[in-house]
Amino acid sequence: RKEVEQDPGPFNVPEGATVAFNCTYSNSASQSFFWYRQDCRKEPKLLMSVYSSGNEDGRFTAQLNRASQYISLLIRDSKLSDSATYLCVVIITGNQFYFGTGTSLTVIP
Amino acid sequence: EPEVTQTPSHQVTQMGQEVILRCVPISNHLYFYWYRQILGQKVEFLVSFYNNEISEKSEIFDDQFSVERPDGSNFTLKIRSTKLEDSAMYFCASSHSPNRETLGQYFGPGTRLTVT
Repeated sequence: RKEVEQDPGPFNVPEGATVAFNCTYSNSASQSFFWYRQDCRKEPKLLMSVYSSGNEDGRFTAQLNRASQYISLLIRDSKLSDSATYLCVVIITGNQFYFGTGTSLTVIP
Repeated sequence: EPEVTQTPSHQVTQMGQEVILRCVPISNHLYFYWYRQILGQKVEFLVSFYNNEISEKSEIFDDQFSVERPDGSNFTLKIRSTKLEDSAMYFCASSHSPNRETLGQYFGPGTRLTVT
């Protein structure tokens, strides 16, 4: 059983498009949620935390649906620099982070 | 901006040898972590460390692995007798706040370990 599941993609979208990723988690006791991005052969970088009420950071919006056990990330007005793998991360208990396998995004000029 | 640093960037070792991977977490952070990522696979949690002791570890983190904070700045991962399947990118991470919603972790650039 996978703790965190993501559609691996790839998502290929034109510049300026809006794209959304979903992630589901299996454990209803999950406590905290994050989106990270990872460029090829680089370290994961924190993109944003996902708050219970949902939150926005510029072109990025994150939502949490506890009842259905999924989180989402919406990217508006996609830029070429948004091309990366987006990782869904969940803390179930303590400090152990569970990473999804990631969703690959390529923004095309 | 403060960052997590790791050395070396690439380590090649022979099967059965011991390796020590080094990390310098962000200075005011309190929680330290090691992860690994086998090429093409997901990031996997190994261990978390707080207040000079292991707070959690995964089933990957068996007796061949150990962690240490030998001084006020370094955080190390030791693999006692490396196996071929230990070949991976090893990431160190640190975080500051115990507040769940802001407990984002900041990752170092990784050490690529190749076991031959």
